Amino acid sequence: DAGVIQSPRHEVTEMGQEVTLRCKPISGHDYLFWYRQTMMRGLELLIYFNNNVPIDDSGMPEDRFSAKMPNASFSTLKIQPSEPRDSAVYFCASSPWKGAGYTFGSGTRLTVV
Amino acid sequence: AQTVTQSQPEMSVQEAETVTLSCTYDTSESDYYLFWYKQPPSRQMILVIRQEAYKQQNATENRFSVNFQKAAKSFSLKISDSQLGDAAMYFCAYRSAWVQGGSEKLVFGKGTKLTVNP
Repeated sequence: DAGVIQSPRHEVTEMGQEVTLRCKPISGHDYLFWYRQTMMRGLELLIYFNNNVPIDDSGMPEDRFSAKMPNASFSTLKIQPSEPRDSAVYFCASSPWKGAGYTFGSGTRLTVV
Repeated sequence: AQTVTQSQPEMSVQEAETVTLSCTYDTSESDYYLFWYKQPPSRQMILVIRQEAYKQQNATENRFSVNFQKAAKSFSLKISDSQLGDAAMYFCAYRSAWVQGGSEKLVFGKGTKLTVNP
């Protein structure tokens, strides 16, 4: 089991550019989560999916953020256009069933300059 | 909405000693799950221990154990025989167990930074 795989590990981009973060969950896990971590706000849930269907996207900051899960083994989080305040560590996590702990990916550190 | 509070932003412990990290939470639900996660400088989030609210027995994982007080809504983590590798941010988290509803999201506290002194 390779765990949750995120790419890239680091991303530096200029303000206004499109950024795409990628995640491969653990096979067989029905739930996929995107979190953002900053010093000021801690860990915030952006969106989560159950069986590839978005369930709760109330944490998505604004229309510049979008997430997709086209199949059980892949999800993307896109920011277009990016802004400096989007700089953070973005985590993807997956979970096999309700009540189980999450398994987190290693995160993507995004820096928007 | 559920909230999780970690009142100790920083803690320190001597190697081989025992340390307890505090966590309180607020919920109106009767069934839920509680977790402790560790985040070392590598930033990887690692599950340390999990507690089911309907179980009275406190969870243990090797040197890690919890003191779960449901009535007081308290969930502290005890680390015994502390090791240098235990140095990290520790996050307490809550997850609803409500079958027909409730969010699947983990609600995290702000974290406690643990330093282990040699």
